Amino acid sequence: EDKVVQSPLSLVVHEGDTVTLNCSYEVTNFRSLLWYKQEKKAPTFLFMLTSSGIEKKSGRLSSILDKKELSSILNITATQTGDSAIYLCAVGANFGNEKLTFGTGTRLTIIP
Amino acid sequence: GAVVSQHPSWVICKSGTSVKIECRSLDFQATTMFWYRQFPKQSLMLMATSNEGSKATYEQGVEKDKFLINHASLTLSTLTVTSAHPEDSSFYICSGGSGGHNEQFFGPGTRLTVL
Repeated sequence: EDKVVQSPLSLVVHEGDTVTLNCSYEVTNFRSLLWYKQEKKAPTFLFMLTSSGIEKKSGRLSSILDKKELSSILNITATQTGDSAIYLCAVGANFGNEKLTFGTGTRLTIIP
Repeated sequence: GAVVSQHPSWVICKSGTSVKIECRSLDFQATTMFWYRQFPKQSLMLMATSNEGSKATYEQGVEKDKFLINHASLTLSTLTVTSAHPEDSSFYICSGGSGGHNEQFFGPGTRLTVL
């Protein structure tokens, strides 16, 4: 059975701090790893990673995949209160079957 | 980015009634749509995968006769919760995929409360 594990489960930091969120997976026929941000409603897409070692960056957020270690990290620098959310990691497998397996998420709280 | 809408955004119903939730892809054709359920403080749990014009594939433990899914077109999928009970109260989220890729675009979700 495919499995995605995120750590930590929750994290509280002060505004301006840098955080690193972790995601590890056990998936048959890995295809891609995705990061989503969920605030009060449905998740919004952040990154999709398919190749190992290539960093994807969007503003203060960046992410990288390590296929050898079966893991990924999501970094957020100079955190702001608007970054408070649940960050979900999901893994997709089997080309043609777009099903995603989600981790339990990391609840990030930024204190002003 | 691709936009997915869901309707209604919230619904309150009496136990025993049926509730239909619509999911539409607004600016792309979703060859595959996914239905998830999310309980408070938990992650998204996939309920079923539906492909346009064919029967949905349900995840283990999800009753197909209780959660009826119809994917009549490339832009519309519906989930009907039949004979809803309080334990069906949850946040239901749909997403659409555009074929051959794992990226999914999520709708805003529907919060169902069964009294």
